[in-house]
Amino acid sequence: GENVEQHPSTLSVQEGDSAVIKCTYSDSASNYFPWYKQELGKRPQLIIDIRSNVGEKKDQRIAVTLNKTAKHFSLHITETQPEDSAVYFCAASRGGADGLTFGKGTHLIIQP
Amino acid sequence: DAGVIQSPRHEVTEMGQEVTLRCKLISGHNSLFWYRQTMMRGLELLIYFNNNVPIDDSGMPEDRFSAKMPNASFSTLKIQPSEPRDSAVYFCASSLTGKNTEAFFGQGTRLTVV
Repeated sequence: GENVEQHPSTLSVQEGDSAVIKCTYSDSASNYFPWYKQELGKRPQLIIDIRSNVGEKKDQRIAVTLNKTAKHFSLHITETQPEDSAVYFCAASRGGADGLTFGKGTHLIIQP
Repeated sequence: DAGVIQSPRHEVTEMGQEVTLRCKLISGHNSLFWYRQTMMRGLELLIYFNNNVPIDDSGMPEDRFSAKMPNASFSTLKIQPSEPRDSAVYFCASSLTGKNTEAFFGQGTRLTVV
């Protein structure tokens, strides 16, 4: 089955700086890579996703890059703000009806 | 649509008791996923269904766990007998196969087994 590794487990950055979270996956058949944000006590919610036919996707301050050859993908958050503080999860799936396999999560802390 | 609805939100039970968690899918969705979240193990996929049929239950930890979809919009996850190590937050999520594989999560059920 799929195995997703996520690093770092905790990331502390100064407000206004950039944050980068990295993930690797094992199943070369995976073709869908979403990122979820989970605030304390709440449900995970999708913030951005990328499919295997695209190398990069951007939505305002967040962007995701995918390297299929190396089987890794990354989340980039620029100009971080206090409301970005949360746990971020990467995931991978073969798509269709297949479930998502999640990384262990990264606790992002934005220092004022 | 109210989104994915889970009940109860919180459950405290004694070891050995049966626990049933419930989930209502978003109308029109046809894939249903049960996840368990703990600090140690993160988000683990337990089982998922497509069109009411269980596709992969390899994540179900033991025979004490069972899941059903009696109809297209509803699912249950049952633990019998429950043990303290089952304490976790259980999420269900639904998606629409073939159009968008984004999974929408319910608010979760926080289970505490004492």
